[in-house]
Amino acid sequence: SQTIHQWPATLVQPVGSPLSLECTVEGTSNPNLYWYRQAAGRGLQLLFYSVGIGQISSEVPQNLSASRPQDRQFILSSKKLLLSDSGFYLCAWSLLTATDTQYFGPGTRLTVL
Amino acid sequence: AQSVTQPDIHITVSEGASLELRCNYSYGATPYLFWYVQSPGQGLQLLLKYFSGDTLVQGIKGFEAEFKRSQSSFNLRKPSVHWSDAAEYFCAVGDPYSNSGYALNFGKGTSLLVTP
Repeated sequence: SQTIHQWPATLVQPVGSPLSLECTVEGTSNPNLYWYRQAAGRGLQLLFYSVGIGQISSEVPQNLSASRPQDRQFILSSKKLLLSDSGFYLCAWSLLTATDTQYFGPGTRLTVL
Repeated sequence: AQSVTQPDIHITVSEGASLELRCNYSYGATPYLFWYVQSPGQGLQLLLKYFSGDTLVQGIKGFEAEFKRSQSSFNLRKPSVHWSDAAEYFCAVGDPYSNSGYALNFGKGTSLLVTP
């Protein structure tokens, strides 16, 4: 069966520091991968998605970036965090068809102070 | 572009009572429709989904949802709520004709509180 992991689970970082969040998927090949941010009362905002290694699409301009160095690994990064980057970050995967469900990881709670 | 609205931010029901969470969407054709549930501090879990066919969809944990094309709605229901159903519920819309990587558009969520 497929599983999705995210780490760390919780992170507290000062403003201006770098960020690296990791997401890995097991039990499937060539998945679509997604990064969402969830802010209080604002639902889920799609940040990035990837349909293959090295292929990243950005939905919202911001100081975050994403990379996919391996088929089942998706990384969210920032060179300098802002206060507004605080939130709950969720990684998700789906198979390469338009009808497939997205399956979510447990999330990372990021607090920028 | 499609959009999804969950009109109720918070809902409180008594344990054992029936539940209906509303979801309305805006889209030119029939989208793919999903309901997810999120427990505090956790990821999202799929409850059910609708792509085509029978408009009444059964999901996990005793939930069901009905697609009503005329009302552009996909409301989630449960006949008898349990205390463990207290959580955040998200409706999501997928555009089957989108070229944007099959991303989903989520509503802002409805927070369900269950009282004894």
